[in-house]
Amino acid sequence: GENVEQHPSTLSVQEGDSAVIKCTYSDSASNYFPWYKQELGKRPQLIIDIRSNVGEKKDQRIAVTLNKTAKHFSLHITETQPEDSAVYFCAAPSSGTASKLTFGTGTRLQVTL
Amino acid sequence: NAGVTQTPKFQVLKTGQSMTLQCAQDMNHEYMSWYRQDPGMGLRLIHYSVGAGITDQGEVPNGYNVSRSTTEDFPLRLLSAAPSQTSVYFCMAGPYAGELFFGEGSRLTVL
Repeated sequence: GENVEQHPSTLSVQEGDSAVIKCTYSDSASNYFPWYKQELGKRPQLIIDIRSNVGEKKDQRIAVTLNKTAKHFSLHITETQPEDSAVYFCAAPSSGTASKLTFGTGTRLQVTL
Repeated sequence: NAGVTQTPKFQVLKTGQSMTLQCAQDMNHEYMSWYRQDPGMGLRLIHYSVGAGITDQGEVPNGYNVSRSTTEDFPLRLLSAAPSQTSVYFCMAGPYAGELFFGEGSRLTVL
């Protein structure tokens, strides 16, 4: 099955700085990579995703990059704001079942004033 | 948020009791799944379904049963609750190979 590793486990940045979270995956057949944001006590929310036919996707202050050769993908948040503070999860599908997601263990992002 | 509804939101059980967590979606999505979330362990897949009448095991299926008699519903049954099943449970739904969305979660405590 798929193995997803996520780093770092915690990340503290000052407001306005950028934050980068990295994930690696093991299954070279994986072709869909979503990122979820989970605020305290709430459900994870899909914030951005990327498919393997593109190398980068942006949505305002967030972007995701994908390196299929190295089997890693990253979440980039620019101009961080206090409301970006949350736990972020990456995920990748297990081979043969496109929607069967394996999640990373999460990154707790703290944006300080 | 793709209309994924979970009930109950909170539940306390005694060891050995059984119960069912309900999950319903109103978007006619093929794919549904159940995850549990524990501190430091992330989200782990319990069971999943790619359509009505089809279910399969995930990473941590022991102690749980599921069925998918309709497209809309995907209940998770705990047969004999154990303290190790204390967790937050999330149902997930979406189109196959498409965007997937979580329900609000069900917090279960087993004493």
